Amino acid sequence: DAGVTQSPTHLIKTRGQQVTLRCSPISGHKSVSWYQQVLGQGPQFIFQYYEKEERGRGNFPDRFSARQFPNYSSELNVNALLLGDSALYLCASSPRGNTEAFFGQGTRLTVV
Amino acid sequence: AQKITQTQPGMFVQEKEAVTLDCTYDTSDQSYGLFWYKQPSSGEMIFLIYQGSYDEQNATEGRYSLNFQKARKSANLVISASQLGDSAMYFCAMREAMNRDDKIIFGKGTRLHILP
Repeated sequence: DAGVTQSPTHLIKTRGQQVTLRCSPISGHKSVSWYQQVLGQGPQFIFQYYEKEERGRGNFPDRFSARQFPNYSSELNVNALLLGDSALYLCASSPRGNTEAFFGQGTRLTVV
Repeated sequence: AQKITQTQPGMFVQEKEAVTLDCTYDTSDQSYGLFWYKQPSSGEMIFLIYQGSYDEQNATEGRYSLNFQKARKSANLVISASQLGDSAMYFCAMREAMNRDDKIIFGKGTRLHILP
């Protein structure tokens, strides 16, 4: 079975640009969450979507947005990139509820 | 208030020895889940083990076991017979059922080095 897949794996962008990251959850998983992990820290929650509805948002500015599609895949958009947005962005999928959550390999974003 | 505390920033362990990675948590929720993840240098967050707050038995997955002590709010990971490939960053994490958004809160991690 395919795990959580994210694309692209690496990305370099310039300050002020916009970026879109993509995530396909494990088949059958309706919940997708996004996390940002800066170097040396644990991941920080950005968004969670379930059945295309935003269920939660972490402490991130409005430059960050996301959506979930009918096939449960998801996109994370970041506008007006700052140097501080450089991080590993992780997507997690779970079947819902207080159960296991599985992460993709991440997208490493570098803003220059 | 920090909800997940991992007090060991780094550990060095001889190959084939058992390893215990410490984790304490804080929550007022009665229903929650505890996770351990392994993150090698490649960056992928690999799920290792899960323990539900109502599970009476400690979770085990192969060489991994979770020493769950609910009264002490402790969820230590035990790796038996460590291998060189176990060298990685390890994160303890928690999800509270009262959160509608299923968000997972992570600790700062412990970097484990297995020595040959």
